[in-house]
Amino acid sequence: DAEITQSPRHKITETGRQVTLACHQTWNHNNMFWYRQDLGHGLRLIHYSYGVHDTNKGEVSDGYSVSRSNTEDLPLTLESAASSQTSVYFCASSKWPGSNGELFFGEGSRLTVL
Amino acid sequence: AQSVAQPEDQVNVAEGNPLTVKCTYSVSGNPYLFWYVQYPNRGLQFLLKYITGDNLVKGSYGFEAEFNKSQTSFHLKKPSALVSDSALYFCAVRDGSSASKIIFGSGTRLSIRP
Repeated sequence: DAEITQSPRHKITETGRQVTLACHQTWNHNNMFWYRQDLGHGLRLIHYSYGVHDTNKGEVSDGYSVSRSNTEDLPLTLESAASSQTSVYFCASSKWPGSNGELFFGEGSRLTVL
Repeated sequence: AQSVAQPEDQVNVAEGNPLTVKCTYSVSGNPYLFWYVQYPNRGLQFLLKYITGDNLVKGSYGFEAEFNKSQTSFHLKKPSALVSDSALYFCAVRDGSSASKIIFGSGTRLSIRP
């Protein structure tokens, strides 16, 4: 079955370190998204991509970057981790055109920055 | 800009009673509206969507939602709540004019007491 997987599921790091969260989908979806989930804020969009070599900033993109070198993967990089980036991160994908934008989510990556 | 509001952080309902989780939205074009559910330590799962057509849409697990264009609302409903419905519910919106990003509300925690 097609799926979307995130790794690692849990990570603890120190302030200032670079961290990369992986996202891999086998749906062959062209759209991929990264969200962070924080209490009281729901899900906020960090970055998104509509296809290979396309990336766009979301509403909370500062301190994060993404790259899209193939259809399946959209890694999220924190260049210099800060305590404010402690959160649960969700990757999602959708097909466009051919669907109505319904998102398929990974299980999440819990990041703690000490 | 798109936005979604879920005015209630928590909704408490007795098992067997009807439930409503409220959502209002703002978009520049025709809205594509979604409800997602999140169980503890899991990613979000799609429940239902409104694209066009009947204002009452039916989804998974007996849930339905009513689209009201004049009130810009998309409330989630269920005639008879189950304890297993207890979870975090998110409303989301996409501008229907393009393959644009999906914006989520802050979430409503639904608690069903036996």
